[in-house]
Amino acid sequence: GQNIDQPTEMTATEGAIVQINCTYQTSGFNGLFWYQQHAGEAPTFLSYNVLDGLEEKGRFSSFLSRSKGYSYLLLKELQMKDSASYLCAAPMNTGFQKLVFGTGTRLLVSP
Amino acid sequence: EPEVTQTPSHQVTQMGQEVILRCVPISNHLYFYWYRQILGQKVEFLVSFYNNEISEKSEIFDDQFSVERPDGSNFTLKIRSTKLEDSAMYFCASSEGLGLRTDTQYFGPGTRLTVL
Repeated sequence: GQNIDQPTEMTATEGAIVQINCTYQTSGFNGLFWYQQHAGEAPTFLSYNVLDGLEEKGRFSSFLSRSKGYSYLLLKELQMKDSASYLCAAPMNTGFQKLVFGTGTRLLVSP
Repeated sequence: EPEVTQTPSHQVTQMGQEVILRCVPISNHLYFYWYRQILGQKVEFLVSFYNNEISEKSEIFDDQFSVERPDGSNFTLKIRSTKLEDSAMYFCASSEGLGLRTDTQYFGPGTRLTVL
């Protein structure tokens, strides 16, 4: 089976750094995705990790530890527009293309 | 930047009616998908489509659902006889399908379906 867990909600202030964690259990591993979703909008691709370590992309970085079944998304220099849900997702082992999503972490950035 | 488009943005229908949701995937992509998201819940996979046939479907995708690529650009999801519980946001997605085991899926803006 496949299970993805992430916190439901987080709050942070503008300019701060926030880390959103995700733990996963998969019968096979084909990488881990992070998407951003603003309310009422589509998920937007942020990052994909398949190897251990940190991938940095501007203000956003994503980390993966395959041995621990753990990933995090790091957002630096938070802006008000970063208020959104952040979805952790992993491909199902069977077809590699079926994404299984976590419930998402709703991040609220306050002034 | 190329993007996935979907029409309509909102669809209201009566229970038991048929609806067709339309999507135009990114032009050089080969894999197409439908997902749905019931309000306040997680995004759920419905179906993937490759080379003019369904490659994978979930238990949600029962006989009431069908997909079609009627021409070179459109990809549709049909719900034959809508139920109240079909009310959700439906997202179309596409990916390059280069033969890699996993590639990035890009989502359209969604169609909000309301069944009355």
